[in-house]
Amino acid sequence: GESVGLHLPTLSVQEGDNSIINCAYSNSASDYFIWYKQESGKGPQFIIDIRSNMDKRQGQRVTVLLNKTVKHLSLQIAATQPGDSAVYFCAENAGGTSYGKLTFGQGTILTVHP
Amino acid sequence: DAGITQSPRYKITETGRQVTLMCHQTWSHSYMFWYRQDLGHGLRLIYYSAAADITDKGEVPDGYVVSRSKTENFPLTLESATRSQTSVYFCAARGDSYEQYFGPGTRLTVT
Repeated sequence: GESVGLHLPTLSVQEGDNSIINCAYSNSASDYFIWYKQESGKGPQFIIDIRSNMDKRQGQRVTVLLNKTVKHLSLQIAATQPGDSAVYFCAENAGGTSYGKLTFGQGTILTVHP
Repeated sequence: DAGITQSPRYKITETGRQVTLMCHQTWSHSYMFWYRQDLGHGLRLIYYSAAADITDKGEVPDGYVVSRSKTENFPLTLESATRSQTSVYFCAARGDSYEQYFGPGTRLTVT
C-alpha cells in the first residue's frame, strides 16, 4: 500500500512473476481512478483507468481491481519484466465540480530482477 | 507528435529571483495543470486551468503565479524563488476524459 513519509513502499519481484501493487483511497465520492507509471527522470505515464461503476478492468498485461467497500485499488501486472521497474502511482478524481483534478498517492517502487 | 513539452528541463536559480517555467501542448486540450513532485509528498497540484483565461489554485499555490492567454501555453512563474521551491515540476493536460498527459518535467534548484 501507499503511505505518507520519506520512504516509499517497495515491491521487489523476479522477472516473469506477477506483481500486485496496492493503493488505499480516502474519498468515498471519488468516481474515477487511474494508475500511472513513472520511470526515473520522466513524467508519469498512463497505464490504465477504471470508473467507480466497475470492479475490474483489464489491459495488456495489466488489471485494475476496485473495491469500493474498503476503498481499495490494486494494479496487477502479469509476467513482470525488467522494463516494468518504475514508481507506480494511483490517482483518484473526486467527482462533482473538481474539474477532473486528480489526487495522487505517494507511489510504490517496483523493482524487477532479471 | 510532441504532446507536452516543458522548458527548461533543468534550471538553477538564486533565492529571490523570478523564474518562469514554460509548458506547451500540441493538442488543444482545455485543461492544463501544474504539479510539483517532492520525495515524501508525491505529486501536488499547484494551479490548474479549465480554459484560456481561466485559472484556479490547487493544493500548494503560494509563491506561484500562472497565466493562460493561449490554450496551448500555460507558464508557471515563481515571483521570488525560495529554497523550499526546489523541486521537479510537471505540467499536464487533459481533454474530455479524466486522463492527464504529463510533460517530461523541469528540475528546478534554488540556491
